[in-house]
Amino acid sequence: NAGVTQTPKFQVLKTGQSMTLQCAQDMNHEYMSWYRQDPGMGLRLIHYSVGAGITDQGEVPNGYNVSRSTTEDFPLRLLSAAPSQTSVYFCASSYSESGTISYEQYFGPGTRLTVT
Amino acid sequence: GIQVEQSPPDLILQEGANSTLRCNFSDSVNNLQWFHQNPWGQLINLFYIPSGTKQNGRLSATTVATERYSLLYISSSQTTDSGVYFCAVVSNFGNEKLTFGTGTRLTIIP
Repeated sequence: NAGVTQTPKFQVLKTGQSMTLQCAQDMNHEYMSWYRQDPGMGLRLIHYSVGAGITDQGEVPNGYNVSRSTTEDFPLRLLSAAPSQTSVYFCASSYSESGTISYEQYFGPGTRLTVT
Repeated sequence: GIQVEQSPPDLILQEGANSTLRCNFSDSVNNLQWFHQNPWGQLINLFYIPSGTKQNGRLSATTVATERYSLLYISSSQTTDSGVYFCAVVSNFGNEKLTFGTGTRLTIIP
């Protein structure tokens, strides 16, 4: 199993550009999520999904879009990048029962994004 | 929402020392995990421990769910233990999200 994979590892964007951060998992997990980590802070939830076709907002969703067309993939889109979106982005997945996530979550290696 | 507090915020120890990291949370939880974020930024799963005690080599963890805290013990510290340790929980109440504490930065000096 590759676990949770993320691409790219590093990205530099100019203000106003758009891009998609890719996340994939091969563990057949229903639950997937995106977090951002800013210096000196813990991780904050951006968006999450409890299954294909279902997404919901987390703590800091503004400026980000997601979709979940398959169980394996959960891309995160930045429509118009801003310097405030400079951060490290982590994708995670876990087993889920009826939308609950009382199971161990696994994290990808992260994408370091800089917006100038 | 649920509050997660970790202490101490920073810890500097000599190699070989033992340490205890604490995580307090404000509501009952159905998921609690400890992670180690290494100097390269990777998040490594240490323990999934919503209750009880677990051990893995030099590391062990105990969660007392009724008293809303968890402890991570590191014995005979090595320089590779350096990094930030995060506690993260899922509340029994409210939306399904993993809420992170702000971490304990551990530095092991050779």
